[in-house]
Amino acid sequence: QKEVEQDPGPLSVPEGAIVSLNCTYSNSAFQYFMWYRQYSRKGPELLMYTYSSGNKEDGRFTAQVDKSSKYISLFIRDSQPSDSATYLCAMSPNTGNQFYFGTGTSLTVIP
Amino acid sequence: DAGITQSPRHKVTETGTPVTLRCHQTENHRYMYWYRQDPGHGLRLIHYSYGVKDTDKGEVSDGYSVSRSKTEDFLLTLESATSSQTSVYFCAISAGRNTLHFGNGTRLTVT
Repeated sequence: QKEVEQDPGPLSVPEGAIVSLNCTYSNSAFQYFMWYRQYSRKGPELLMYTYSSGNKEDGRFTAQVDKSSKYISLFIRDSQPSDSATYLCAMSPNTGNQFYFGTGTSLTVIP
Repeated sequence: DAGITQSPRHKVTETGTPVTLRCHQTENHRYMYWYRQDPGHGLRLIHYSYGVKDTDKGEVSDGYSVSRSKTEDFLLTLESATSSQTSVYFCAISAGRNTLHFGNGTRLTVT
């Protein structure tokens, strides 16, 4: 079993829709949770960062962490064609510098 | 790109030849990482470094070696390239807050 599971999609939505992206994990030691956005032929860029449980909002993006369920989500409101990319979740325990990635979800926002 | 430069950006090489990929950072960060990204597998850690001359293996280290003689440079070497090493290679630095920042990748094709 992989430490981090992510539905690969692909996901296709109309412009303006609310998008929900999710990851589950098995290691209860994970404390840091990240979402990366990756455009075609580019490196992943950090989009959202959360420590422990709770919600974090940044503009149209909201990251949620539910440690009791070992489940994290990224919501995108009023989705735009420029949001079309692959979204990767990533996690890290409290100690050390190890990172664990989901395989990514491909999102297309149709104008 | 958080001050990370990868070179070359693209390379085609023949099976059995040695290949060296270079990662250069301008951020003076201690931790540097090499990942490969393949469809269906996501990002997989090859090797990482926690200081000059201090390196350790990741989950897919077979066939790869690394060197770090200066804080700013982290080299990845394929001693004898194989077709299974055709991939996109990303260098990353740990930028504090338990997050990673990535370069734009090297696309390697082994024929």
